[in-house]
Amino acid sequence: GAVVSQHPSRVICKSGTSVKIECRSLDFQATTMFWYRQFPKKSLMLMATSNEGSKATYEQGVEKDKFLINHASLTLSTLTVTSAHPEDSSFYICSARESRGGNQPQHFGDGTRLSIL
Amino acid sequence: GQNIDQPTEMTATEGAIVQINCTYQTSGFNGLFWYQQHAGEAPTFLSYNVLDGLEEKGRFSSFLSRSKGYSYLLLKELQMKDSASYLCAVSDSNYQLIWGAGTKLIIKP
Repeated sequence: GAVVSQHPSRVICKSGTSVKIECRSLDFQATTMFWYRQFPKKSLMLMATSNEGSKATYEQGVEKDKFLINHASLTLSTLTVTSAHPEDSSFYICSARESRGGNQPQHFGDGTRLSIL
Repeated sequence: GQNIDQPTEMTATEGAIVQINCTYQTSGFNGLFWYQQHAGEAPTFLSYNVLDGLEEKGRFSSFLSRSKGYSYLLLKELQMKDSASYLCAVSDSNYQLIWGAGTKLIIKP
């Protein structure tokens, strides 16, 4: 159980393109989903916390107009990288936490490797 | 401030035992998680400790001492596939995860 599906797994596109990444919890409901960014050999960096039905909470230094987050249902959150540039190239990972209450672990999607040419 | 410390890298031999330590200082504590992350892949959940003591799950065990702000992950009967980074994360008073930088474990034959 507790499977999180992230799509696409890899994107290569030209500078200026907007890229949408989907994160789905397949067998559980997730009130809260998280979006991370990870550079090679570095730790996870939390970008934003996505709450179903409300605005996402962005970490300091993360541009909300650049990284649009929508959490329209209890099983789906999307991250859109708008007008992507080469410096946005990175490994983006989503995670979802079950809505059962208490302190549930975050379960991660497989990640999206974004390369902007 | 909030801080999670774990060694950057460790090396161990196939078949042996290795202990990866994690110390933390956070605003509040709602449990400690260990995750495994293979190179180029997303993290996978290994264990969760919220009470003091040892939690055993197969070849992996995780220990917590809240008074000392300390945890360790113990890996027994090491296999080559255990080569990965091991991430320690603490859930703070707001249930936000504070992540350590990870410990890269290298297993040698």
